[in-house]
Amino acid sequence: DTGVSQDPRHKITKRGQNVTFRCDPISEHNRLYWYRQTLGQGPEFLTYFQNEAQLEKSRLLSDRFSAERPKGSFSTLEIQRTEQGDSAMYLCASSFGSSGSTDTQYFGPGTRLTVL
Amino acid sequence: GENVEQHPSTLSVQEGDSAVIKCTYSDSASNYFPWYKQELGKGPQLIIDIRSNVGEKKDQRIAVTLNKTAKHFSLHITETQPEDSAVYFCAATFSNDYKLSFGAGTTVTVRA
Repeated sequence: DTGVSQDPRHKITKRGQNVTFRCDPISEHNRLYWYRQTLGQGPEFLTYFQNEAQLEKSRLLSDRFSAERPKGSFSTLEIQRTEQGDSAMYLCASSFGSSGSTDTQYFGPGTRLTVL
Repeated sequence: GENVEQHPSTLSVQEGDSAVIKCTYSDSASNYFPWYKQELGKGPQLIIDIRSNVGEKKDQRIAVTLNKTAKHFSLHITETQPEDSAVYFCAATFSNDYKLSFGAGTTVTVRA
């Protein structure tokens, strides 16, 4: 049994470049979340999927960010035209739950993005 | 939205002593309160959680208490060990919301 996995673990890019991160949730988890964590702060919610449907997006998710979860399995988070302010740890979490329930979220190791 | 405040931001304790971290939340609808431990270079790991229908929960050396009236909850670590050194985050959410609102974290250092 494996936990949530994320790839890559580290990414260094130049300002203006596009980057894409991947998250593989725990098998059979129907919910998947993306959070962003900057140094010295707690994770901040970005977006949430239930199966393949993206149900909520934070105001932190500008038009340069897009997330997908095709077929309700893995998810990708793409950042276009990266800016130095995008430098952060991007965390993925997954859970299994039904409508109206608050279920336990399990986090992956994160992808640390550095924009030069 | 939910606002979670966490104190203290840093905590240094002697090995074997207890550590206590406190969090307050703003939304009275919040009913789920997990605690995560994050080690350097790793993602947050759930260590204990509590739901609003329970006032206290224990798991070996770790306990969490919840005061719904005052809207605060606390993490208690007894008999601290060097491997307890990490950053601890509290969080809150409510049914049908799903997203977690996190505190800013407490860096715990256990001195040998």
